[in-house]
Amino acid sequence: DGGITQSPKYLFRKEGQNVTLSCEQNLNHDAMYWYRQDPGQGLRLIYYSQIVNDFQKGDIAEGYSVSREKKESFPLTVTSAQKNPTAFYLCASTLPSRGVYGYTFGSGTRLTVV
Amino acid sequence: KNEVEQSPQNLTAQEGEFITINCSYSVGISALHWLQQHPGGGIVSLFMLSSGKKKHGRLIATINIQEKHSSLHITASHPRDSAVYICAVKANTDKLIFGTGTRLQVFP
Repeated sequence: DGGITQSPKYLFRKEGQNVTLSCEQNLNHDAMYWYRQDPGQGLRLIYYSQIVNDFQKGDIAEGYSVSREKKESFPLTVTSAQKNPTAFYLCASTLPSRGVYGYTFGSGTRLTVV
Repeated sequence: KNEVEQSPQNLTAQEGEFITINCSYSVGISALHWLQQHPGGGIVSLFMLSSGKKKHGRLIATINIQEKHSSLHITASHPRDSAVYICAVKANTDKLIFGTGTRLQVFP
């Protein structure tokens, strides 16, 4: 079955360390997104990519980096520059943004900085 | 003021009750999504609407474009419906804007 796989489900990181969250999809979707979810807030967009080898900053990109070397994969690196990285991270994908297409979401990664 | 507002924030119901969750938005949109997030965190897309009404099993979603309002109804609610329900709009800027969610608990 097609879908999005995020790994790991839970991740612990020491302050000052970079960490990479994985997002893989086998839906042949062009666009992929990373969102951050904090308690009491709506999901906020970190980065998105509409095509391989291209990506754009979202609303809260500072302290994060991404790459899109393959259509199927959109890893997110949380760098030591991110001041408050403890959060729930969700990856999503969709067909091209023009038109009305549904989104598919992954099961998320909960990152805790210790 | 948030561009997407949901009400109520929290909702408790007895099994079998009819449930309504509301979503109001203030931007121009091309589509509205209703999403379900279970305690584990994963999100499932329930509906995508651009007009009118859609039904899937016990779930019904409606949208009024002129009033910038959508509702999600659950008929004959069940404890397995307990989850956070999130409204998200696809703005005319192509950006997806999320509400903060409605936490629903259905007791037997």
